[in-house]
Amino acid sequence: QPVLTQSSSASASLGSSVKLTCTLSSGHSSYTIAWHQQQPGKAPRNLMKLENSGSYNKGSGVADRFSGSSSGADRYLTISNLQSEDEADYYCETWDSNTRVFGGGTKLTVL
Amino acid sequence: EVQLVESGGGLVQPGGSLRLSCAVSGFIFSSYAMTWVRQAPGKGLEWVSAISGSGGSTYYADSVKGRFTISRDNSKNTLYLQMFSLRAEDTAVYYCALLGSGWYSPPDYWGQGTLVTVSS
Repeated sequence: QPVLTQSSSASASLGSSVKLTCTLSSGHSSYTIAWHQQQPGKAPRNLMKLENSGSYNKGSGVADRFSGSSSGADRYLTISNLQSEDEADYYCETWDSNTRVFGGGTKLTVL
Repeated sequence: EVQLVESGGGLVQPGGSLRLSCAVSGFIFSSYAMTWVRQAPGKGLEWVSAISGSGGSTYYADSVKGRFTISRDNSKNTLYLQMFSLRAEDTAVYYCALLGSGWYSPPDYWGQGTLVTVSS
């Protein structure tokens, strides 16, 4: 089954941009993933579904500041014009025929 | 408006059982697959189980296979997770979520979660 690897933490300044990475394991580099945001004390929220091609479909109400891209086994989430409310944990997720997998999550700090 | 409300969490002793419920509204429940995801205190998300819209297909993580049973009552718009032989490592907030675009898509909506604590 696929494995997703994320950096445990990231930080960026208010108003700047940040690019988070989710890496698919060997043999699974073509997989579609999803990005989820979990703000402190809240349930996760779907940000987008991101395909191997780099095309993405955002969830309901997701701001234009959030975008996705892909390169090989890497899937990226870029957040532009960082706001204080973007400080959260970000998880990637993927699936195959009978299982679903989450990455370990990246804790984003907005400085 | 789509709503998912979990209930049934609480404190249970190791080896005990518990049934979680997820009451849904705002969509045609029987048309969609549903999933359970958990989060241990201070840890990341872990997929637990999923079920098709009809209930005819079920899926489990290896960590809960043989101990947990997912089911649904489409007449009551309710999803269930029956948990047996509970262990300390099952302590977590359990979220139900709607797979509105099918299995090969992320959850569209999540509930607020219910806390399960396994401890003596």
